Amino acid sequence: DSGVTQTPKHLITATGQRVTLRCSPRSGDLSVYWYQQSLDQGLQFLIQYYNGEERAKGNILERFSAQQFPDLHSELNLSSLELGDSALYFCASSPQGSGGWSEQYFGPGTRLTVT
Amino acid sequence: KNQVEQSPQSLIILEGKNCTLQCNYTVSPFSNLRWYKQDTGRGPVSLTIMTFSENTKSNGRYTATLDADTKQSSLHITASQLSDSASYICVVSSAVSDGNNNDMRFGAGTRLTVKP
Repeated sequence: DSGVTQTPKHLITATGQRVTLRCSPRSGDLSVYWYQQSLDQGLQFLIQYYNGEERAKGNILERFSAQQFPDLHSELNLSSLELGDSALYFCASSPQGSGGWSEQYFGPGTRLTVT
Repeated sequence: KNQVEQSPQSLIILEGKNCTLQCNYTVSPFSNLRWYKQDTGRGPVSLTIMTFSENTKSNGRYTATLDADTKQSSLHITASQLSDSASYICVVSSAVSDGNNNDMRFGAGTRLTVKP
């Protein structure tokens, strides 16, 4: 158990809908990272927040957005969902703000299915 | 072109055998290289992290090597077990972030299957 929690575990929704995925980092970690992993594909880094502020961006679509709240939990919002958005979405956390240097601890993931 | 290339894409070995996974990168300037193990449907777990001054780092039956001159890394698994069946992901970090302040470059992973 990494100490990172994600909810929900599974989510099934229809095309065009909007969903929110939630992540609680390990106690004391200030950074939260979001990743997308489509079936049989590699991890795609989406976005990082550090202490409430956006820190780094990866391959995040404009239909997707995220935020980190004062209690350091984070939410990833996915809107106008398409079939291709079906994937595992992972959250990771780390103590520091540097993605490249920090040890990242991954949550169990949210499996999103868009029908 | 991806800056981190992993090979082979997939590998099947018998339990008890050794294997070596490769990671070649073009990331420059180099900062560090990490290997992750990802069980199917679960989040990745860090195995090793290496900076340019480290040639070898071990974590149990996992040994990672790094040649910063040739920009190659390998992950050697000794006496494989069924539980080693997973994807192994190489992540290389640059000392310079891109325009989006992102310094991490991900390989596509090698899927290892260990059979009894």
